[in-house]
Amino acid sequence: DAGVIQSPRHEVTEMGQEVTLRCKPISGHDYLFWYRQTMMRGLELLIYFNNNVPIDDSGMPEDRFSAKMPNASFSTLKIQPSEPRDSAVYFCASSPSIRQETQYFGPGTRLLVL
Amino acid sequence: QKEVEQNSGPLSVPEGAIASLNCTYSDRVSQSFFWYRQYSGKSPELIMSIYSNGDKEDGRFTAQLNKASQYVSLLIRDSQPSDSATYLCAVNMGFGNEKLTFGTGTRLTIIP
Repeated sequence: DAGVIQSPRHEVTEMGQEVTLRCKPISGHDYLFWYRQTMMRGLELLIYFNNNVPIDDSGMPEDRFSAKMPNASFSTLKIQPSEPRDSAVYFCASSPSIRQETQYFGPGTRLLVL
Repeated sequence: QKEVEQNSGPLSVPEGAIASLNCTYSDRVSQSFFWYRQYSGKSPELIMSIYSNGDKEDGRFTAQLNKASQYVSLLIRDSQPSDSATYLCAVNMGFGNEKLTFGTGTRLTIIP
């Protein structure tokens, strides 16, 4: 298995632009998580899905952030408009169950908003 | 007060010694506790989980949990240079709550 796939791996954009991050979970995994990691705040859960349905989006910072999972093999995290404070590494993770022991992280997308 | 607190380090330990990493949490109803290792520029990987008070050993790693004092620690015996990484403590409230709360991590450097 190729593991969790994220694209792009690096993104540099200017403030105000729309940013779309993509994730392909491991086949057969029913849970998908989006995390953000910064030096100041550490690793934070933004939102997670179960069977393509958003379950908890309480970590989404504000309305500029949105996430979708149109099918079991694809999810997006969109930031519109982007701001410099959104600069972070965004991780996607998937799991076949609710147990953390089975959660696999993708390689992450490093986002820099100028 | 942060929900999960860790000393950011850096923590420097000689090769072969025991590295001790500590974590405190604020929510008394927390049920599940995890340690992740993250190499620079890489994604976190789970190395230990613990659910009950006491010690849990896995190879050179030992996780210790004290719910009364609300802390969890990770001991690494016979530290190797390959153990140099940032270690993240994470806590889950359990009861079907899948949301993990992470600390900001402790950077560990093993000195050859």
